[in-house]
Amino acid sequence: DQQVKQNSPSLSVQEGRISILNCDYTNSMFDYFLWYKKYPAEGPTFLISISSIKDKNEDGRFTVFLNKSAKHLSLHIVPSQPGDSAVYFCAASGGSGNTGKLIFGQGTTLQVKP
Amino acid sequence: DAEITQSPRHKITETGRQVTLACHQTWNHNNMFWYRQDLGHGLRLIHYSYGVQDTNKGEVSDGYSVSRSNTEDLPLTLESAASSQTSVYFCASSEGLSSGQETQYFGPGTRLLVL
Repeated sequence: DQQVKQNSPSLSVQEGRISILNCDYTNSMFDYFLWYKKYPAEGPTFLISISSIKDKNEDGRFTVFLNKSAKHLSLHIVPSQPGDSAVYFCAASGGSGNTGKLIFGQGTTLQVKP
Repeated sequence: DAEITQSPRHKITETGRQVTLACHQTWNHNNMFWYRQDLGHGLRLIHYSYGVQDTNKGEVSDGYSVSRSNTEDLPLTLESAASSQTSVYFCASSEGLSSGQETQYFGPGTRLLVL
């Protein structure tokens, strides 16, 4: 039972364009969502997060949108740069038994072409 | 600077051997976690700890154990390594806020191959 799903294993975009990575979840008790970025042979690094009381959070080129009614969040990267090429994981936490724990999606590999 | 380290970074072992992966953090975080990353599965939680002497099973805990004797360390032991445990293992830590809304910080990973 996959509570957090990233249905697109990969995404390819041109440098300078927008990258949109999507994530769906099933547990309505999740109240905190995060995006992590992972380069090969390195650990995941935190990128941006959003609380369920908000529907948007922005940090530089990165914006996360949360649609609670659809149980969907997305990460927008504008403009995309070749250095953004990495695997992106969305994660969620909250609800009974999940305090402090993160449930991860399968990841989406983003390739930004020069 | 505070950090989280894992050792070894690479390990090759044989089926049936006991293996211990080390995780050490200098943030004085209460919470520590072990994950494994496999293609198509993302990061799956193995075990976690909310503090000294506290350990809990995660989603994929069979064949693994942890112990937390101090704040800084959470070693992961594979009791009898199996080929299905070939994976990349990540340790993470977080402050341990009562809200639970917090970031986990990850180590660089240990790549384990069980032959």
